[in-house]
Amino acid sequence: EPEVTQTPSHQVTQMGQEVILRCVPISNHLYFYWYRQILGQKVEFLVSFYNNEISEKSEIFDDQFSVERPDGSNFTLKIRSTKLEDSAMYFCASSLETGGSYEQYFGPGTRLTVT
Amino acid sequence: AQTVTQSQPEMSVQEAETVTLSCTYDTSESDYYLFWYKQPPSRQMILVIRQEAYKQQNATENRFSVNFQKAAKSFSLKISDSQLGDAAMYFCAYRSQGGSQGNLIFGKGTKLSVKP
Repeated sequence: EPEVTQTPSHQVTQMGQEVILRCVPISNHLYFYWYRQILGQKVEFLVSFYNNEISEKSEIFDDQFSVERPDGSNFTLKIRSTKLEDSAMYFCASSLETGGSYEQYFGPGTRLTVT
Repeated sequence: AQTVTQSQPEMSVQEAETVTLSCTYDTSESDYYLFWYKQPPSRQMILVIRQEAYKQQNATENRFSVNFQKAAKSFSLKISDSQLGDAAMYFCAYRSQGGSQGNLIFGKGTKLSVKP
């Protein structure tokens, strides 16, 4: 069964450094999402992406964040200058359609640790 | 803004028994969608069951069923005949109806342990 994959599984970086988290969505899916979960807190929506542009973003998704689909398979989340509070689990998801009861398929997550 | 609350951080059930996980939500919308996702240890979240708010009938998927109480804004998950493989984090999630509102709003999750 097709799966969403994410790399790396764990990323350690120093405060102020740039990080790129990578995701490979399911191949025929058209909608892509990033969520994050700070330890002990809720999973929070960051951004959704469709047709090579952002369709929605949350208040968390400020100018330090960007997303890109550089080729036909990868979907990336870049954090330009990491802060301690960016330490979290980052989940990528994809879906065939958006809204309604359509299922979002999640990747296993990347644990980002900022020191 | 919509919120989702899961009041049980942890639950435990004996194998073959039944357990109910609670979820309440707050919204002013009349049409929306509700989901339960399961996240086994070190694995991705997978959809367990979904419910459209306009449907009165409670959704069921094999051993999993929901008790959807729209007026009370409650959406509990019942797992019957619990199995060891049911041990996981369970997340309740809400999605608004309409257009580009694709994002899910999650609760904090309930960690379910299954005792042999």
